[in-house]
Amino acid sequence: EAGVVQSPRYKIIEKKQPVAFWCNPISGHNTLYWYRQNLGQGPELLIRYENEEAVDDSQLPKDRFSAERLKGVDSTLKIQPAELGDSAVYLCASSSTREGEQYFGPGTRLTVT
Amino acid sequence: AQKITQTQPGMFVQEKEAVTLDCTYDTSDPSYGLFWYKQPSSGEMIFLIYQGSYDQQNATEGRYSLNFQKARKSANLVISASQLGDSAMYFCAMRALNSGNTPLVFGKGTRLSVIA
Repeated sequence: EAGVVQSPRYKIIEKKQPVAFWCNPISGHNTLYWYRQNLGQGPELLIRYENEEAVDDSQLPKDRFSAERLKGVDSTLKIQPAELGDSAVYLCASSSTREGEQYFGPGTRLTVT
Repeated sequence: AQKITQTQPGMFVQEKEAVTLDCTYDTSDPSYGLFWYKQPSSGEMIFLIYQGSYDQQNATEGRYSLNFQKARKSANLVISASQLGDSAMYFCAMRALNSGNTPLVFGKGTRLSVIA
């Protein structure tokens, strides 16, 4: 069974440019999460989807970040415009059961110069 | 709200020895799950072990065991017979279990270095 797929793995952009990250969760997983991991820290939730619905986006900086999960499968996270402080690893995870573990993708390492 | 505290920024262990990574937590949720993840330099978060707050016995998965002490609110990870490939960041995390697929709350992690 394929794991959570993310692309790109690495991205370097200049500040004020837009950037987008893509995530394909494990087949059948209805819950999808986007986390941001700053250097030397644990991941922190940005947004959680139950199927197509964003049920927890309180930590998403909505002035510059947006996300979508069309058809309840793949998801895209966008930043526009990017700032220097957005440099981090963006992790996507998925889960299927209330008490099950979350499976993480390899992450996208974003560097904003 | 939940909070995870990992007080050891870095740990060293000799190959083939056992090591304990500390984790304490705080929550007001009556039902919760505790997790440990390993993050090698490649960046992927690898699930290691899970303990439910209602589980009477400590969880074990191969060389990993979770020393769960509910009264002390601690969930320490024990790795037996350390291997060089165990060198990585280790994160303790938790989430509430009574309201759907809630997100994980992570600690700051402990960097484990295994010495030959």
